[in-house]
Amino acid sequence: DTGVSQNPRHKITKRGQNVTFRCDPISEHNRLYWYRQTLGQGPEFLTYFQNEAQLEKSRLLSDRFSAERPKGSFSTLEIQRTEQGDSAMYLCASTPQGSSGGNSYEQYFGPGTRLTVT
Amino acid sequence: KQEVTQIPAALSVPEGENLVLNCSFTDSAIYNLQWFRQDPGKGLTSLLLIQSSQREQTSGRLNASLDKSSGRSTLYIAASQPGDSATYLCAVRPRGGGNKLTFGTGTQLKVEL
Repeated sequence: DTGVSQNPRHKITKRGQNVTFRCDPISEHNRLYWYRQTLGQGPEFLTYFQNEAQLEKSRLLSDRFSAERPKGSFSTLEIQRTEQGDSAMYLCASTPQGSSGGNSYEQYFGPGTRLTVT
Repeated sequence: KQEVTQIPAALSVPEGENLVLNCSFTDSAIYNLQWFRQDPGKGLTSLLLIQSSQREQTSGRLNASLDKSSGRSTLYIAASQPGDSATYLCAVRPRGGGNKLTFGTGTQLKVEL
């Protein structure tokens, strides 16, 4: 068990460019979450997958954001036409579903991808 | 809408002191509450998870309590060490609110030699 991994760890991009981040959850964890954290704030929920199905999306996830988990394993988060307000730490977490439906389980977080939009 | 508040926002203590971090939430309909540690520029490390039916959980020098009816949780750190310096975040998983965690803004702890 190597934990949740995220790549890249840091990304600097110019306003208007597209960026894509990748998250590899803990193996056999079928639930995967994306959060965004700005400086001095707690993480805010963006979206959630159970296997390959995207089951919930926050209103924070504007139409410039898209997330996928095509084979129910790794996930990607793409931001199109980046804006300076997108600068944040993007965190991924995973959890097993388990017999209780997954609500009882801890969420395990990756190291995050820090995005800076200049 | 669930709101989570953490007090104090920052705390500085001398090494060896016992300390308490506070977390309050507005909606008591939760599945569980989780405490995390975050080092500067890093991801979150899970410390303790308390189910809604539990009153407390312990791990080493850490003890977390939950009073769901009053919407409060505390994280007690015994015999603090400089290595405990970090931001501590609490998060609740609301019932009926999907599977997301709702986080507080954290308490930034500094333990001085």
